Amino acid sequence: SQQGEEDPQALSIQEGENATMNCSYKTSINNLQWYRQNSGRGLVHLILIRSNEREKHSGRLRVTLDTSKKSSSLLITASRAADTASYFCATVRMDSSYKLIFGSGTRLLVRP
Amino acid sequence: EAQVTQNPRYLITVTGKKLTVTCSQNMNHEYMSWYRQDPGLGLRQIYYSMNVEVTDKGDVPEGYKVSRKEKRNFPLILESPSPNQTSLYFCASSSLLGLETEAFFGQGTRLTVV
Repeated sequence: SQQGEEDPQALSIQEGENATMNCSYKTSINNLQWYRQNSGRGLVHLILIRSNEREKHSGRLRVTLDTSKKSSSLLITASRAADTASYFCATVRMDSSYKLIFGSGTRLLVRP
Repeated sequence: EAQVTQNPRYLITVTGKKLTVTCSQNMNHEYMSWYRQDPGLGLRQIYYSMNVEVTDKGDVPEGYKVSRKEKRNFPLILESPSPNQTSLYFCASSSLLGLETEAFFGQGTRLTVV
């Protein structure tokens, strides 16, 4: 079963605008990760946020985590055409097992 | 260079003809897993392995087998492929030093079963 659900499913913005994607999940987690996938290619890790963190930055990326609402958001600032890709959140559950469970993704299109 | 290598990248086969998709990683990772990706369904985990000779079912294991005889290799076996196994497949690996590690993905195998 899917743990994470991204919202929106698709997003189209103009170059230079900010893009915000949201992820909701169901169970308690150890950490939440965001990945990027260019069309038909393998996923690439972007950023990891621990369950005891509320916000994290990496370059133009800002991730927030609200464990009370079981949700996270990924903000890409000053978007570029090269940011066009699908973005997935993935969660690692808070138990003894290591299982990375992905959501269904957000397709981002950045128009030049 | 750290990488996960899958082969083949593309495969067209007929129903019932056994096939194996190979996956190899050079990072000495304990954890390896297989996912399938279908439109609108995201990535669903097929099988995973915590270490050599330790494998377990993911969310969609029916019709698949795996083995983990060596740490670096984790092949995915379709004993009798069917058209509903047409999909894009990804192998991934992670270190199990703590739970706060990223997964590294292969480039994918696009399988078509006719």
